[in-house]
Amino acid sequence: NTVMTQSPTSMFISVGDRVTMNCKASQNVGTNVDWYQQKTGQSPKLLIYGASNRYTGVPDRFTGSGSGTDFTLTISNMQAEDLAVYYCLQYNYNPTFGGGTKLELK
Amino acid sequence: QVTLKESGPGILQPSQTLSLTCSFSGFSLSTSGICVSWIRQPSGKGLEWLATICWEDSKGYNPSLKNRLTISKDTSNNQAFLKITSVDTADTAIYYCARSLELGVYWYFDFWGPGTMVTVSS
Repeated sequence: NTVMTQSPTSMFISVGDRVTMNCKASQNVGTNVDWYQQKTGQSPKLLIYGASNRYTGVPDRFTGSGSGTDFTLTISNMQAEDLAVYYCLQYNYNPTFGGGTKLELK
Repeated sequence: QVTLKESGPGILQPSQTLSLTCSFSGFSLSTSGICVSWIRQPSGKGLEWLATICWEDSKGYNPSLKNRLTISKDTSNNQAFLKITSVDTADTAIYYCARSLELGVYWYFDFWGPGTMVTVSS
């Protein structure tokens, strides 16, 4: 299995912050990475597909980047509604999720 | 409008077989590029992909669980199924089904069900 390692595992942030989280693949996965947002008690929601493509209806403050083994999700102007756990997923091989990055308020 | 909903036994005993059903609407599993996947999440933990079945009946399984998993579909009734044999307490989790799309080089889960909680306990 391709291991996806997310960092940090949690972040304490303030509204308006610029937030950057990372995902590192154990082998080259090209740009075959998606990002999902999961709020407490809810199912995950697709944010980014193909490493950098924003899904329909996702605010433009969410940006994905990267290729190969290193990927980044950036939230440019953090909003309270963005408090959630964020997961990366690679689908270049059998799909594997990262362990998640939890965003919490300072 | 695309919706999916999972159903399962709620609770079962170790060594039994878990049978899950995903009932969906708003799309057909006979349409090119469309798949249904199962993903699970133990309480307070991360997501684990289990299996996928696609429109042309191709199937994929998590290698870590492959010998225990069977995915199938009933296209005419808009349902997909997952069976997990020989369950133990480590299989306790919320089980989600999700529509997955193959669009050229892209592949993603765009719609998810609300999940069904499964507890394995003696």
